[in-house]
Amino acid sequence: DQQVKQNSPSLSVQEGRISILNCDYTNSMFDYFLWYKKYPAEGPTFLISISSIKDKNEDGRFTVFLNKSAKHLSLHIVPSQPGDSAVYFCAASGFSSNTGKLIFGQGTTLQVKP
Amino acid sequence: NAGVMQNPRHLVRRRGQEARLRCSPMKGHSHVYWYRQLPEEGLKFMVYLQKENIIDESGMPKERFSAEFPKEGPSILRIQQVVRGDSAAYFCASSPIGSNQPQHFGDGTRLSIL
Repeated sequence: DQQVKQNSPSLSVQEGRISILNCDYTNSMFDYFLWYKKYPAEGPTFLISISSIKDKNEDGRFTVFLNKSAKHLSLHIVPSQPGDSAVYFCAASGFSSNTGKLIFGQGTTLQVKP
Repeated sequence: NAGVMQNPRHLVRRRGQEARLRCSPMKGHSHVYWYRQLPEEGLKFMVYLQKENIIDESGMPKERFSAEFPKEGPSILRIQQVVRGDSAAYFCASSPIGSNQPQHFGDGTRLSIL
C-alpha cells in the first residue's frame, strides 16, 4: 500500500533548464509535505516543505506546488545545475497522527547534464 | 553546530549476532526517528521516540528489534539475532518538535549481514 508515489524513477535535464519532479499521494489526512535530496552514502538533506493550507512555497531556486484536489505535489528547480544531480524524495505526514512520522516515496534520480 | 550523528557508519555482523546502532540528535532536538532503506526503495519509518518514551513504534518488526532514547546519551536501535534480510541502511532523524517540522537526517549506518 504505497501512500506516496513517485512514478518517474529518473529524469534527465540540461543545465540551466527547469527540472520538474512529481509526487502523488492517496491519504487525504496528509497535511504536511516535504522534499529531500540525497547523495550516495549520505543521509537525506531537507530542501523545502509545504503545509496543506498553502498551494505554493518558494525558496531560492526551489518551488513546491501542492494541488490538494488532485493529491499531487511537484518540485520545480530552476535553473538546474549539475550539483543538483541526486535522488529526490517526497515525503508526507499527517498532523492528526500526532507522531510526525514521514511516509516517503520511492525517489526520483535527477541527472543534470552540463 | 553538529548535525545528527550516527555511528558506526558501517557495521558488519554474522547471522545470529546482535547489532547496535547509535544516534545523537541535533542540539536542541528532543524528537528522534529511525528509518530503514532497503536497496532500490524509499525510506520506511520504524520508530519515533522522545526522551525515555517510545511514542510510535508502528513500523518496527514485532520481533528482534527494539529502540530506546535514554535520559542521558544517544538513541539506540538494537537488532538481535540478525538475519540476511536485515541488511539495509538505517537512518536516524531528529526534530525540535514532533509534527509539521522538517526532520534532519544523519548519514546513516550501513548494516551488512554475512
